[in-house]
Order: sequence, then C-alpha cells, then structure tokens
Amino acid sequence: GESVGLHLPTLSVQEGDNSIINCAYSNSASDYFIWYKQESGKGPQFIIDIRSNMDKRQGQRVTVLLNKTVKHLSLQIAATQPGDSAVYFCAERSGSARQLTFGSGTQLTVLP
Amino acid sequence: DAGVIQSPRHEVTEMGQEVTLRCKPISGHNSLFWYRQTMMRGLELLIYFNNNVPIDDSGMPEDRFSAKMPNASFSTLKIQPSEPRDSAVYFCASRTGLAGGNEQFFGPGTRLTVL
Repeated sequence: GESVGLHLPTLSVQEGDNSIINCAYSNSASDYFIWYKQESGKGPQFIIDIRSNMDKRQGQRVTVLLNKTVKHLSLQIAATQPGDSAVYFCAERSGSARQLTFGSGTQLTVLP
Repeated sequence: DAGVIQSPRHEVTEMGQEVTLRCKPISGHNSLFWYRQTMMRGLELLIYFNNNVPIDDSGMPEDRFSAKMPNASFSTLKIQPSEPRDSAVYFCASRTGLAGGNEQFFGPGTRLTVL
C-alpha cells in the first residue's frame, strides 16, 4: 500500500540562482527563530537566527526575513551552489523556553 | 572542537531488545536535548535537560523510553523493550547557558533499526 508520511515541500533551483525558502509559524508569542540545514546522513547545522525585534538579518550569502504580522519567515540564499542542496528547517522558540519547535522542512535541490 | 558526540552511529536490533543511545555534549554546554527524526513525524523533541536535570519530558513517547544525565558530559536514551516503530534517527543536541547562546548544536545522530 501507499506509505503515508511527511511530504516535504521541494524547491529546485539552477546553480547560481537565488533561492527563497519559506516557513509559516503559528505561535504569536515566539520571539526567536532559527534556520537549520540538514545534509543527507548528518545532523541539522545552524545557518542563521533572528529575534522578533528584527525583521531582517544577513549572513554570508544568506538573509532571513521575518514578518510577524503574517507569522512568516523566509531564508534567502544568494548564488545557490551544489553544496546548498539539503533539507532546510525553520524553528521557533517562545519566551524563556529552551526548547525549539521545528517545522517540517523544505528539500532544496540545486541543479547543475 | 569535537562537537556533540553520539554513539553508536548505527544500531540494528531485534524487537524486544534493550537499546541504549549515548551522547556527549559540547564541553561547557549546560542544556542537552534528545530528538527523534522520522519521515512520518519529522524532527520531534523527546526530552531536554538543564544542568543535568530533566526539564521537559513531555515528548517521550511512552514508558519504554527513559533518559538520564548523570553528569554534565554524558547522557543516555534507553528504549526497553524496543519495537519496530521506534526505528528512526535519534539526535542529541547541546546548548550553552550563556546569555545570547540560543543555537543548539546537533550531533551526527544514531540511526536505529528495530527488526
């Protein structure tokens, strides 16, 4: 029979193009957000984070945008490279809680 | 910098057997997290410790699962008895207690297969 499981959103981009990965969150009390990258067979790896008092933060080739009005987070990757192919997770945290709540992830595939 | 260390990396066992997963957090980190990742449910937090004390174990599936942190440099996640539905990749992560240190650092994971 057909297996049931998470159907990861997928995004395919040409090498050199920019990528935009989106994430919606539901907890309006969340005040900290983080993006992780997970390559096949490895643990999640930190990319960039942002606090709720900001709406944009830039890193090396990556930018995170936060829209608290619509509870939306995005990760932009400039000049996408083959090594960027991975599953990307957003995560949120509220208040003094130490635990993160992870989204289901987006599979990014970079085409040659 | 060794990062978070997990062992074993792969474990194959038979239903009913006891399984023990091990984690060594990054030195100096005072929070430790156990996660389970499956295709069905994604990445789920099972339990986390702060200063070796379990703070939230609401994610632990059932009594067959238990976790301990006897000291700041070692934690175990035990499944007894194991069942095929426990097959998953189990991640350990640690985090510093310093102000502003929000990032969790993940280990490489243990891939568990219960036959």
